[in-house]
Amino acid sequence: DAGVTQSPTHLIKTRGQHVTLRCSPISGHKSVSWYQQVLGQGPQFIFQYYEKEERGRGNFPDRFSARQFPNYSSELNVNALLLGDSALYLCASQRGRSSDTQYFGPGTRLTVL
Amino acid sequence: DQQVKQNSPSLSVQEGRISILNCDYTNSMFDYFLWYKKYPAEGPTFLISISSIKDKNEDGRFTVFLNKSAKHLSLHIVPSQPGDSAVYFCAAMSLYNFNKFYFGSGTKLNVKP
Repeated sequence: DAGVTQSPTHLIKTRGQHVTLRCSPISGHKSVSWYQQVLGQGPQFIFQYYEKEERGRGNFPDRFSARQFPNYSSELNVNALLLGDSALYLCASQRGRSSDTQYFGPGTRLTVL
Repeated sequence: DQQVKQNSPSLSVQEGRISILNCDYTNSMFDYFLWYKKYPAEGPTFLISISSIKDKNEDGRFTVFLNKSAKHLSLHIVPSQPGDSAVYFCAAMSLYNFNKFYFGSGTKLNVKP
């Protein structure tokens, strides 16, 4: 079975632009969470989606948004990019909403110039 | 607000010896804790977890200890192997709010042959 996949692998944008990151969860998993990992820090929770609805949100500005599709894949959108948005964006999938193990994808490395 | 802290950014251990990685948390509502291992260019991989109703959980060479009164947990790896060299993150969550996982900043373990 394929693990969690994310695309693209790397991305370079300039300040003020918009970016869309994509995630496909493990087959059978209905929950997707997004994390931002800045260099030297641990992953910071951004969103969790379950059954296409937002179930949790971290302390991120409204420039960050996400959605989950009927096939449980998800997109993370970031508007009006800032230099500080440069980070590794990780997607994690879970079977359900509980304390099920989260399985992480390899991440998308976003660089904002 | 750093609710989960790993105060040692790095640790170096000789092969065959014990590795002890430490983690502290501040939120008394956390009742489920996990350790993840991360290799470069890969997402974090789940290693072991512990519920607050236990003070120890063992899985092969890996043992996690939880001291609720001190709000401290530790991961013991015995014996350490060069393949264990990676960044280790501890994470915590509340089963009442299982949408959010809080991660520490990670400890880079180097196991020397």
